[in-house]
Amino acid sequence: QKEVEQDPGPLSVPEGAIVSLNCTYSNSAFQYFMWYRQYSRKGPELLMYTYSSGNKEDGRFTAQVDKSSKYISLFIRDSQPSDSATYLCAMRERVNDMRFGAGTRLTVKP
Amino acid sequence: DGGITQSPKYLFRKEGQNVTLSCEQNLNHDAMYWYRQDPGQGLRLIYYSQIVNDFQKGDIAEGYSVSREKKESFPLTVTSAQKNPTAFYLCASRTGTTQFFGPGTRLTVL
Repeated sequence: QKEVEQDPGPLSVPEGAIVSLNCTYSNSAFQYFMWYRQYSRKGPELLMYTYSSGNKEDGRFTAQVDKSSKYISLFIRDSQPSDSATYLCAMRERVNDMRFGAGTRLTVKP
Repeated sequence: DGGITQSPKYLFRKEGQNVTLSCEQNLNHDAMYWYRQDPGQGLRLIYYSQIVNDFQKGDIAEGYSVSREKKESFPLTVTSAQKNPTAFYLCASRTGTTQFFGPGTRLTVL
């Protein structure tokens, strides 16, 4: 079993839809949780950062962490074609030991 | 502009050759990282350095080498001992608990 599981998709939605992206993990020691967005042939850029459990909202993006279920989510409201990218979840216990999901490829169709 | 630069963007190598990927940052970050990204897999850590003249192996260090002679620079050498070097290579640096990524180098072995 991989330490971090993420459905690779692809996921295709119409413009304006609410998108839900998810990851599960096995290491209960993970405390820091991140979502990165990666456009094709580019480096990942940090979207959301959450410490421990709870929700965090930034504009159209909401990150949720449920440590009891070892489950994290990223919601995108009013999705736009410019949101089309691969979304990577990442998490860690120690500062130099980040673990990444495989990434979910999202396409938002106009 | 502050950021992380990687060069070249695309690199082609013949089997049996060593090749060096460049990573430079002007963010004044102490910690730097090299990751490898393959389709369908999460980013995997090759090497990291927390300070000048010090570096540590990550999960997949075999066939790779690094140096950290300057704070700004963390070059990665892919040696002929790396059995499957074709991949997308990402350099990152860290401030606090957050890693930021460069644009990547795509290495293809012919």
